[in-house]
Amino acid sequence: EAAVTQSPRNKVAVTGGKVTLSCNQTNNHNNMYWYRQDTGHGLRLIHYSYGAGSTEKGDIPDGYKASRPSQENFSLILELATPSQTSVYFCASGDRGGPHAEQFFGPGTRLTVL
Amino acid sequence: GQQVQQSPASLVLQEGENAELQCNFSTSLNSMQWFYQRPGGSLVSLFYNPSGTKHSGRLTSTTVIKERRSSLHISSSQTTDSGTYLCAWSNYNVLYFGSGTKLTVEP
Repeated sequence: EAAVTQSPRNKVAVTGGKVTLSCNQTNNHNNMYWYRQDTGHGLRLIHYSYGAGSTEKGDIPDGYKASRPSQENFSLILELATPSQTSVYFCASGDRGGPHAEQFFGPGTRLTVL
Repeated sequence: GQQVQQSPASLVLQEGENAELQCNFSTSLNSMQWFYQRPGGSLVSLFYNPSGTKHSGRLTSTTVIKERRSSLHISSSQTTDSGTYLCAWSNYNVLYFGSGTKLTVEP
């Protein structure tokens, strides 16, 4: 099973500040994802990546950037954080093995923007 | 857009009772996953189930692709089964989630 870790686990930021959420996976999966989870909305896809150097927009990319510098690492960047971005963020990785591969999730990062 | 509907939204059981959770998809189903999530916790993959029926202990997942639906059956529920169960539909490496079923099992 994939080992996906996230840092930090909890973060308090101020409005207008820059926030970087980091994700690391150790199972050499090609695909990585960032989701946010909010009450009433379930999990929604923000950005994803098919490999080092690639990033793709998900369903709700506005206000977020992503960076995939290596196979293992995938970051989510909030250049100008807003209170509406207060949420729990999950990173996931998936084996390419076909277009509908299983995904494995990290422990989550709770972000509060004041 | 993609629509994933789960039912019921919440369910309360007495320990030992069985549960049936449903997931319906509005578009063609390629693959799907069932997850379990404790309050404040991460998502644990229960089943990755392209089609048919799969078993894991007291859990059974049945997916009928042509009918765009999947179900999760929990037999002889235990208090430790309490939490939220999420289904997600997969389309070319992207998962689309339902809002979940919150299960509470009382002793």
